[in-house]
Amino acid sequence: AQSVTQLGSHVSVSEGALVLLRCNYSSSVPPYLFWYVQYPNQGLQLLLKYTSAATLVKGINGFEAEFKKSETSFHLTKPSAHMSDAAEYFCAVTGDNDMRFGAGTRLTVKP
Amino acid sequence: DTEVTQTPKHLVMGMTNKKSLKCEQHMGHRAMYWYKQKAKKPPELMFVYSYEKLSINESVPSRFSPECPNSSLLNLHLHALQPEDSALYLCASSQVLGKAGVDTQYFGPGTRLTVL
Repeated sequence: AQSVTQLGSHVSVSEGALVLLRCNYSSSVPPYLFWYVQYPNQGLQLLLKYTSAATLVKGINGFEAEFKKSETSFHLTKPSAHMSDAAEYFCAVTGDNDMRFGAGTRLTVKP
Repeated sequence: DTEVTQTPKHLVMGMTNKKSLKCEQHMGHRAMYWYKQKAKKPPELMFVYSYEKLSINESVPSRFSPECPNSSLLNLHLHALQPEDSALYLCASSQVLGKAGVDTQYFGPGTRLTVL
């Protein structure tokens, strides 16, 4: 079964610094991969989606992710962190009838 | 429009109460989902409806009863819940892609449920 693993339950960066959140997938076939963001007491908001059309995927709020088949990775990056980026981030992969989430990474942004 | 709405936003209920959570989408999606999310955890899948038919029930206790009256609505009926059922309940919807599986899931804002 397809799954994703997020490395690091908590990442802390300074405002203006590079954001790197790591996700590795487990699949022999390139899957649909997603990054979602969740702010406190809210639902999940789609940041971006990989569907094999392009390996570098641009999303909302300045985030992007690169699909690397050789590394089975789909890491999320943003060149310059804003205070408003502080949230929980989930990597996910679709299965036959459902979506499988990673454990999540909490991003803290220090002023 | 990629909006999924959920009501109520907050719900407090006793262990003997009966209540319902409601979810609605108007994106023409034919798959709808209920998730349970505890603090600092990812969403856990509870139920999946595909073309208004229950396709996945992840061994959820019978005190949770889903219902899909039509392609736009999804309900979750609650009865005799336990305090450990307190959580954020999320609804989502997506297109069904046949053999390719399911497409992007769009989530509602959730219902924060507290069971006393």
